[in-house]
Amino acid sequence: DAGVIQSPRHEVTEMGQEVTLRCKPISGHNSLFWYRQTMMRGLELLIYFNNNVPIDDSGMPEDRFSAKMPNASFSTLKIQPSEPRDSAVYFCASSPRVLGQETQYFGPGTRLLVL
Amino acid sequence: GEDVEQSLFLSVREGDSSVINCTYTDSSSTYLYWYKQEPGAGLQLLTYIFSNMDMKQDQRLTVLLNKKDKHLSLRIADTQTGDSAIYFCAEEGNTGFQKLVFGTGTRLLVSP
Repeated sequence: DAGVIQSPRHEVTEMGQEVTLRCKPISGHNSLFWYRQTMMRGLELLIYFNNNVPIDDSGMPEDRFSAKMPNASFSTLKIQPSEPRDSAVYFCASSPRVLGQETQYFGPGTRLLVL
Repeated sequence: GEDVEQSLFLSVREGDSSVINCTYTDSSSTYLYWYKQEPGAGLQLLTYIFSNMDMKQDQRLTVLLNKKDKHLSLRIADTQTGDSAIYFCAEEGNTGFQKLVFGTGTRLLVSP
């Protein structure tokens, strides 16, 4: 299996621009998670989906952030408009939820820099 | 609320043992996890322990769980320079749909 795939791996944009991050989970996994990692705040859970349905979006910072999962093999995280404080590494993870165990498999991350 | 705490930094010499500690708050967690993050990469599952176990050994890794004190530790025997990374412990959240609550991460530096 190719593992969790994220694109792009690096993104540099200017303040005010729209940014879309993409994720392809591992085939057969039914839970998907978006995280943000910064030096100041560590690893933060933004939102997670189960069977394509958003379960908990309480970690989404504000209305500028939105996430979708139109099908079991694709999810997007959109920031519109982007701000410099959004600069971080964004990780997508998926989980098979086997026997109630929440092993999560992480993608390589998208490193976002907003100028 | 759920909270997972770790020390921020640990430095050891190659060949020594490393012990990374973690405290957690949710006593209902069924599994507890250790993840490793190498520079520029995502988190990688190292090992996990079921909550009814006290210890789990996997090659150079030993996980100890003290449920009474809500304390989890990861021991790496014969630490190598390739073990230098950030190590995260995680507990399962107590929401209806399980999610992981990660600690702040411990940066392990192994010097030759």
